[in-house]
Amino acid sequence: AQSVSQHNHHVILSEAASLELGCNYSYGGTVNLFWYVQYPGQHLQLLLKYFSGDPLVKGIKGFEAEFIKSKFSFNLRKPSVQWSDTAEYFCAVIPSNTGKLIFGQGTTLQVKP
Amino acid sequence: EPEVTQTPSHQVTQMGQEVILRCVPISNHLYFYWYRQILGQKVEFLVSFYNNEISEKSEIFDDQFSVERPDGSNFTLKIRSTKLEDSAMYFCASRQTGYYGYTFGSGTRLTVV
Repeated sequence: AQSVSQHNHHVILSEAASLELGCNYSYGGTVNLFWYVQYPGQHLQLLLKYFSGDPLVKGIKGFEAEFIKSKFSFNLRKPSVQWSDTAEYFCAVIPSNTGKLIFGQGTTLQVKP
Repeated sequence: EPEVTQTPSHQVTQMGQEVILRCVPISNHLYFYWYRQILGQKVEFLVSFYNNEISEKSEIFDDQFSVERPDGSNFTLKIRSTKLEDSAMYFCASRQTGYYGYTFGSGTRLTVV
């Protein structure tokens, strides 16, 4: 079945640690890729997106993600996390020309001060 | 920055009652969506709406659900006879034509008792 998979459900890191959250999708063809963040009690916010071009995309707050087409992956990275990065992170995909955003299960990131 | 506004932020209703969740999308956006997130689960697509009609709906969006854009600014989701399993966070989103970056509202937490 077509889906978006996030490998880590709950990640606990100390401040200054490096972060990588995995995301794989199973849609063929052209896709638009997103990472959203949901801070406690707040709405979903767009961290970064990939439509085309350079597969390494930079987003807000020092986050970046790399699109690897051969691996159907779009992993999120941050070199050094902060306590304020504690949130739920969602990978999402819009398969070609559908316009429908499909989410992964989400990863809860807890950063210890 | 323009926002998608949702009201109320939290609604408690008795099983079998009708609820209407309200959303005000960004004014120049033409595509509107409802998503829901049951506690601990992924964000799920419910319905998309364009040009005053439903363009796509999920299996979740059965006859108990309906959407409406009554006055050109509001976008509502109605659940006719709520069930316990309708308890979730409901997110409204909108986007511009030709751009796949969704803007999400803060969500309405619906609790059915």
